[in-house]
Amino acid sequence: GAVVSQHPSWVICKSGTSVKIECRSLDFQATTMFWYRQFPKQSLMLMATSNEGSKATYEQGVEKDKFLINHASLTLSTLTVTSAHPEDSSFYICSARGTGDTLRRGYNEQFFGPGTRLTVL
Amino acid sequence: GENVEQHPSTLSVQEGDSAVIKCTYSDSASNYFPWYKQELGKRPQLIIDIRSNVGEKKDQRIAVTLNKTAKHFSLHITETQPEDSAVYFCAASPLGNEKLTFGTGTRLTIIP
Repeated sequence: GAVVSQHPSWVICKSGTSVKIECRSLDFQATTMFWYRQFPKQSLMLMATSNEGSKATYEQGVEKDKFLINHASLTLSTLTVTSAHPEDSSFYICSARGTGDTLRRGYNEQFFGPGTRLTVL
Repeated sequence: GENVEQHPSTLSVQEGDSAVIKCTYSDSASNYFPWYKQELGKRPQLIIDIRSNVGEKKDQRIAVTLNKTAKHFSLHITETQPEDSAVYFCAASPLGNEKLTFGTGTRLTIIP
């Protein structure tokens, strides 16, 4: 249980185009989803937190108009990188958090997706 | 906000020996401290975690210790094996806040 998927696993696009990445919780309802960015040989940096049905909360320095996040259901969140540029090339990872009741755990663990490698030419 | 520092950045250990990775955090409100193992190009995998009401937790060859007063926590891997080679990240999350702040990572290499 507690499986999170991401699609696509990798994508190459031209500079100036937009790319949408999907994050799905397959066997539990995710009340909150998180989007991270990881550059090569660096740590995971939180970009934004999204709660189902409400606007995402972005971390300082992350442009909300460039990184559009939609959390339309309890199992799906999407990240759209608009007008992508080469500096946006990175590994984007989502994580999903259920509730203790949903996952029969005593605390709220985050479950990570497999990541999406974005390359902007 | 929370700031998590992690040391060392790289660690090479002879197979069978122990490895220790240390992290410090800044926010005294943090109460959840997970450790993740990440292989190249893969997702982070939770290997062990500890909450602030516990000082130590062990799971087979892996253990984590927490010193709340000093605001530091450590990962201990005993009897290391080649498959333990990976990048390890610590993280911290404050009470009532779900956000994880990650450390900078430690590249662990087990020498056969």
